[in-house]
Amino acid sequence: DVKVTQSSRYLVKRTGEKVFLECVQDMDHENMFWYRQDPGLGLRLIYFSYDVKMKEKGDIPEGYSVSREKKERFSLILESASTNQTSMYLCASRPQGTYEQYFGPGTRLTVT
Amino acid sequence: EDQVTQSPEALRLQEGESSSLNCSYTVSGLRGLFWYRQDPGKGPEFLFTLYSAGEEKEKERLKATLTKKESFLHITAPKPEDSATYLCAVQDENSGYSTLTFGKGTMLLVSP
Repeated sequence: DVKVTQSSRYLVKRTGEKVFLECVQDMDHENMFWYRQDPGLGLRLIYFSYDVKMKEKGDIPEGYSVSREKKERFSLILESASTNQTSMYLCASRPQGTYEQYFGPGTRLTVT
Repeated sequence: EDQVTQSPEALRLQEGESSSLNCSYTVSGLRGLFWYRQDPGKGPEFLFTLYSAGEEKEKERLKATLTKKESFLHITAPKPEDSATYLCAVQDENSGYSTLTFGKGTMLLVSP
């Protein structure tokens, strides 16, 4: 079974804090993704990575950055958290040559 | 621009009452259509991939079908444990990095 884990299920941060969300997959997948999910808006792609140290912007990258130093780990960074970044953050991974993405359990982030 | 529209937004069924969820899509060329199940507060769980019109996939009480413009997720004799949000996503063959476009989901509630 594919396993994607995220560092926290729930996180509460203050406005202006730097926030790190970590995602780890154990299936040697080349591709990894960060989404946010908001009521009425669905899943929106923030960033993705198709290889170590490679990254591409998704649909809503503003206010976020990412890091992929190792194949199994993909980090999402909120440089200066704002209240409009309160959301459910989902990480996913996908092996090369297939198209199904496998999701982690999500991190519910609240910025106060 | 790729578009995915799911209907209805919410559906309430009695246990044993069969029904269908709809996913209509607009892409320049379909590489794949994906169905996911998402329980409250959790990450989406992969269910099916469909690649070409006429294709069908089944898993327990769920059957997914695909035409050139839409996909249906048929639920036969549902049980309360089938209650979840069902997400549809498409991959456009012209998408350079094989990213997915998601619909907003159908929230299904099955009452005993």
